Amino acid sequence: QQKVQQSPESLSVPEGGMASLNCTSSDRNFQYFWWYRQHSGEGPKALMSIFSDGDKKEGRFTAHLNKASLHVSLHIRDSQPSDSALYFCAASEPNTDKVVFGTGTRLQVSP
Amino acid sequence: EAAVTQSPRNKVAVTGGKVTLSCNQTNNHNNMYWYRQDTGHGLRLIHYSYGAGSTEKGDIPDGYKASRPSQENFSLILELATPSQTSVYFCASGERLGGNTLYFGAGTRLSVL
Repeated sequence: QQKVQQSPESLSVPEGGMASLNCTSSDRNFQYFWWYRQHSGEGPKALMSIFSDGDKKEGRFTAHLNKASLHVSLHIRDSQPSDSALYFCAASEPNTDKVVFGTGTRLQVSP
Repeated sequence: EAAVTQSPRNKVAVTGGKVTLSCNQTNNHNNMYWYRQDTGHGLRLIHYSYGAGSTEKGDIPDGYKASRPSQENFSLILELATPSQTSVYFCASGERLGGNTLYFGAGTRLSVL
């Protein structure tokens, strides 16, 4: 079983709506977390990182990390059709450069 | 932004044949990675490297070899390709720091017939 699990597998929201994506780790050594986004036909690109408990906001995107529960989430407000993509959660341990990715959530934003 | 270039972009190989996927990065990053992407599995780490001459096994290294001859280049080698290795392969680079963001190439679509 992969150490980073994401839910839901797919998500559909209307334009202007809120999208919420979840990620749970099974490895307590993970301390660094990222959200990546991949549009069709492209490689993944980093959206934002979060290393401390609590919220981190960047524009319409807010990440939340709870290390005690090994849970990280991404909330996208005012979703746009251009946000339609595959979203990955990624994690790594301190003192190692091995980066592990989750199973992905496919987001569809309909006009 | 970091530039990572993969070649070829598409490859069709025969079962039992040898396949080499190449990756070049121009931003002097120490670390390079190879992942494969499959529906239902997300991105899975095959091999990674801390610098020229080093390779480390990832989570699914069986059937794959890696080579890092220089800071810029990182290759993934399938000595005896099998149909189960049909996938999309991504190369990435990143700084050698805790919490390093990765920069990905556009991917190589490999079909093994």
